[in-house]
Amino acid sequence: GAVVSQHPSWVICKSGTSVKIECRSLDFQATTMFWYRQFPKQSLMLMATSNEGSKATYEQGVEKDKFLINHASLTLSTLTVTSAHPEDSSFYICSAPVSQVNQPQHFGDGTRLSIL
Amino acid sequence: KQEVTQIPAALSVPEGENLVLNCSFTDSAIYNLQWFRQDPGKGLTSLLLIQSSQREQTSGRLNASLDKSSGRSTLYIAASQPGDSATYLCAVRGGNTPLVFGKGTRLSVIA
Repeated sequence: GAVVSQHPSWVICKSGTSVKIECRSLDFQATTMFWYRQFPKQSLMLMATSNEGSKATYEQGVEKDKFLINHASLTLSTLTVTSAHPEDSSFYICSAPVSQVNQPQHFGDGTRLSIL
Repeated sequence: KQEVTQIPAALSVPEGENLVLNCSFTDSAIYNLQWFRQDPGKGLTSLLLIQSSQREQTSGRLNASLDKSSGRSTLYIAASQPGDSATYLCAVRGGNTPLVFGKGTRLSVIA
């Protein structure tokens, strides 16, 4: 079945560092991928929609210069948290829907980002 | 704008008990509804997917129902086990759009 791979699973770094998270669809092509953020004991909140071949679409309140998204190919999207600060510490998770709308949406295992 | 609400926010039950988790959504124009399980610090595991034309789906001890017109879904877990302890998330999808999630129900099954 459809599988989404996300890497790395855990990052701990100093404030001011930029961190890149990769999301890959392993056995299917995804023209669209979604990036979510989840704070402790909260639900998943959509940050942005990554579109292959065009600019990402950001949700209201999400800084596009802070969270850079690149959909490099039909199987890879990256999220870069630039100049990360402690308030960016969160659980980031990506999703890549298969082309058929009536199929389950699959998620990566998530990346826990801790900024010191 | 679609909003998804899950009740209760947390639930603790003794092992062996049957339980029901509730999910409601404000916009009934959905394509499908998906129930997920999330263990602490982990990603999402898809449990059941119900299409808008379906009334229920079953997988093992899990049964999910959907009443699209009233904007409600329930997840029924039979004979609960300590291994069922996790957060259960309900999410709805409208067309080629991202899923909208509820805040989840944190379930603890006590041995």
